[in-house]
Amino acid sequence: DTEVTQTPKHLVMGMTNKKSLKCEQHMGHRAMYWYKQKAKKPPELMFVYSYEKLSINESVPSRFSPECPNSSLLNLHLHALQPEDSALYLCASSQALFGLGTTYNEQFFGPGTRLTVL
Amino acid sequence: GENVEQHPSTLSVQEGDSAVIKCTYSDSASNYFPWYKQELGKRPQLIIDIRSNVGEKKDQRIAVTLNKTAKHFSLHITETQPEDSAVYFCAASNPISSGSARQLTFGSGTQLTVLP
Repeated sequence: DTEVTQTPKHLVMGMTNKKSLKCEQHMGHRAMYWYKQKAKKPPELMFVYSYEKLSINESVPSRFSPECPNSSLLNLHLHALQPEDSALYLCASSQALFGLGTTYNEQFFGPGTRLTVL
Repeated sequence: GENVEQHPSTLSVQEGDSAVIKCTYSDSASNYFPWYKQELGKRPQLIIDIRSNVGEKKDQRIAVTLNKTAKHFSLHITETQPEDSAVYFCAASNPISSGSARQLTFGSGTQLTVLP
């Protein structure tokens, strides 16, 4: 299996709702990423997990809460979002060769969740 | 942190012509430079990448060149076809210090249109 899957494909939520985005990969990758992408813009890194530990939080507001319950799963919990949070949320994964020197690990992207906050 | 600039933002070419997209980066620690193609409504897909110990890499109609001294890298597409129409993103990558994940910094993207 060489794919990253994401559910749901589309999500519409109100500002008071709580929802979660899910990402899954079975490539044995130990690095997983959340990106936010607005229309006609590049992906912006939000969070990085390496070996199930959060290694990067790019100053993301606390209304976004990531979780990595195991090496194959990555969740993004959403609460009290704002309309400006509407975007495509992309998950990606890559190999993470801890302990080795330089690594060149291709990031594989999932299809994304199109989020609309009303 | 890393800063990647990408030009042009839009590029229209006739089918069969070549297309060139250029990027510059700021962080000399960056050592991996992937290029992604993103069609409308789809995920970014890696089309070619280059490592800092290589100056040029080619894969059929696609080639990438890297000038480490000038911190420039470029994507070259020859014999363009309508299905090459998409947004292309360059990126620069360096290891994340706390582990071995990699942080990608993307350029702003180039909308390539190949006219039949």
